[in-house]
Amino acid sequence: QSVLPQPPSASGTPGQRVTISCSGSRSNIGINAVNWYQQLPGTAPKLLIYSNNQRPSGVPDRFSGSKSGTSASLAISGLQSEDEADYYCSAWDDSLNVWVFGGGTKLTVL
Amino acid sequence: QVHLVQSGAEVKKPGASVKVSCKASGYIFSTYGISWVRQAPGQGLEWMGWINTYNGNTNYAQKLQGRVTMTTDTSSTTSYMELRGLRSGDTAVYYCAREGGGLSGSDNWFDPWGQGTLVTVSS
Repeated sequence: QSVLPQPPSASGTPGQRVTISCSGSRSNIGINAVNWYQQLPGTAPKLLIYSNNQRPSGVPDRFSGSKSGTSASLAISGLQSEDEADYYCSAWDDSLNVWVFGGGTKLTVL
Repeated sequence: QVHLVQSGAEVKKPGASVKVSCKASGYIFSTYGISWVRQAPGQGLEWMGWINTYNGNTNYAQKLQGRVTMTTDTSSTTSYMELRGLRSGDTAVYYCAREGGGLSGSDNWFDPWGQGTLVTVSS
């Protein structure tokens, strides 16, 4: 069981908006920033969102992140086939003294 | 452009050790730390630890304490992760990632990541 539970799967049709949730606690998301990573099939993870809602250069503005209390979410609007990937949330955990990751959400574009 | 290039796949027997390298380029090496993250087949991501490339200080996940050692060579801008006492549960793809960017360590992020090194532990 992951420290940051995420739904194992999500899906949508091209053009739709999907949201992926990430649930944490006071020791991680509650007090630290959340980052999101995208892992395309067979490749290394790539930074998608940092500091809760910031996009690195080159990441389309279709991707957005938010945080409220001990939960965070990733929204993808205008879904495209190339968005099919696994998405992981992550935050530092002050109690465990480790970086914790969500279990990952596999996004399927129907 | 910032790049992290890792060493090639390894096959090891149970009880052996493996040492994976991660060569950095495109930035001032000592200004960012390096974290190591592993991913077992079909599983999620697990953080293993971090090394300060400026002074060599380390922070290891408690689960791996005593079996993992992370080192760095500033002259070659390369970081290393050695894992000892390998068992089948250590079979995974091992990634290095540049860690930094935040005002404090807990607000950092990982960017970029190396391409990954598959370590297979099998008798």
